[in-house]
Amino acid sequence: RKEVEQDPGPFNVPEGATVAFNCTYSNSASQSFFWYRQDCRKEPKLLMSVYSSGNEDGRFTAQLNRASQYISLLIRDSKLSDSATYLCVVIRGGGNKLTFGTGTQLKVEL
Amino acid sequence: GAVVSQHPSWVICKSGTSVKIECRSLDFQATTMFWYRQFPKQSLMLMATSNEGSKATYEQGVEKDKFLINHASLTLSTLTVTSAHPEDSSFYICSARQGSNEKLFFGSGTQLSVL
Repeated sequence: RKEVEQDPGPFNVPEGATVAFNCTYSNSASQSFFWYRQDCRKEPKLLMSVYSSGNEDGRFTAQLNRASQYISLLIRDSKLSDSATYLCVVIRGGGNKLTFGTGTQLKVEL
Repeated sequence: GAVVSQHPSWVICKSGTSVKIECRSLDFQATTMFWYRQFPKQSLMLMATSNEGSKATYEQGVEKDKFLINHASLTLSTLTVTSAHPEDSSFYICSARQGSNEKLFFGSGTQLSVL
């Protein structure tokens, strides 16, 4: 089993839709969680950190479920510019190494 | 925000040649730099971790003699792909971390195509 798993998609949604992605992690010692956004052949860019209490940044909401070992990303009122691959990133406790999921591709259409 | 500059953006080279990729932190001292490789539609795979002034730590399955990493200063790390072959064609990305800060700053990546 991969340490970090995501549904690769693609998720095709109309503009204005609400869409959610999940990411599961296998190591219960994982401590830090992030969502990154990556456009084609570009570097990943930090979208948001994920906190146990859940956090929101504009149209984006991230949540962590430690019991079930998954994190989620919710995007409301999707824009065409949200089209990208969303990477789930996990760091083990006290560790130095980030583990990336394969990413979920989102395509927002008119 | 912190900036990491990675060059070149694109490299096309003949099989058997060596290619050097540079990664510079422009406005902070990067105590740790990471090198990743990403094949199409796959996740970023960590190749190695380098700390300034010491030898890089390579991930399992990554040949240290083929992928030479040098982190001679707090602002510069280089990755040299030696005797490149077509199977080395990939997207290589560096990232840098300042101290114990968890936040990573990524370079813009280098697309390597070996003919």
